[in-house]
Amino acid sequence: QSVLTQPPSASGTPGQRVTISCSGSSSNIGRNTVNWYHQLPGTAPKLLIYSNNQRPSGVPDRFSGSKSGTSASLAISGLQPEDESDYYCATWDGSLNVLVFGGGTKLTVL
Amino acid sequence: EVQLVESGGGLVQPGGSLRLSCAASGFTFRTHWMDWVRQAPGKGLEWVANIKQDGSDKNYVGSVKGRFTVSRDNAKNSLYLQMNSLRAEDTAVYYCATDLLGATARWGQGILVTVSS
Repeated sequence: QSVLTQPPSASGTPGQRVTISCSGSSSNIGRNTVNWYHQLPGTAPKLLIYSNNQRPSGVPDRFSGSKSGTSASLAISGLQPEDESDYYCATWDGSLNVLVFGGGTKLTVL
Repeated sequence: EVQLVESGGGLVQPGGSLRLSCAASGFTFRTHWMDWVRQAPGKGLEWVANIKQDGSDKNYVGSVKGRFTVSRDNAKNSLYLQMNSLRAEDTAVYYCATDLLGATARWGQGILVTVSS
């Protein structure tokens, strides 16, 4: 059971917009910024969004992040087949004094 | 180019020990917090531990406290994870990483640790 709750799966067709939620609490998302990672099978995770809504260079602007209260969201617009991946949110939990990841969301492009 | 290369993984019996190493290059290692993250087969990411730049502060996930020890050698640009009293549930790919909650997060390629008799 992860401290951060993500839907286990999400799906969309090419060109659609999908969102992935990440729900936490006042001790983690409520007081700290959120990063988002994506991971292809057999490879290391890669940074997608940092500080809630910032994109590293090289990440398409189809990807956007937001945070409100104790929840964060990742939105992917103009869905493409290569977006099929696992997505994870991450933040620091100040009460547990640990870094926490969401359980991960497997995105399928139909 | 930032590189993090893990080594030291393998097969170990329950109750045994293993020491993972991570060789860092391409950035100023001594100025960064460093982390270990693991991923059990078919499961999600689980943060394991981190260590402050000078080694004076360390944090661990509850399931490894008292069994795992994170350390670093800034002169050798290296990060370590000493794993004792290993259990089957510690079986995972272990990643060395840095700046996980920052703008320049970097991960190693991962190393497999299998705990089995």
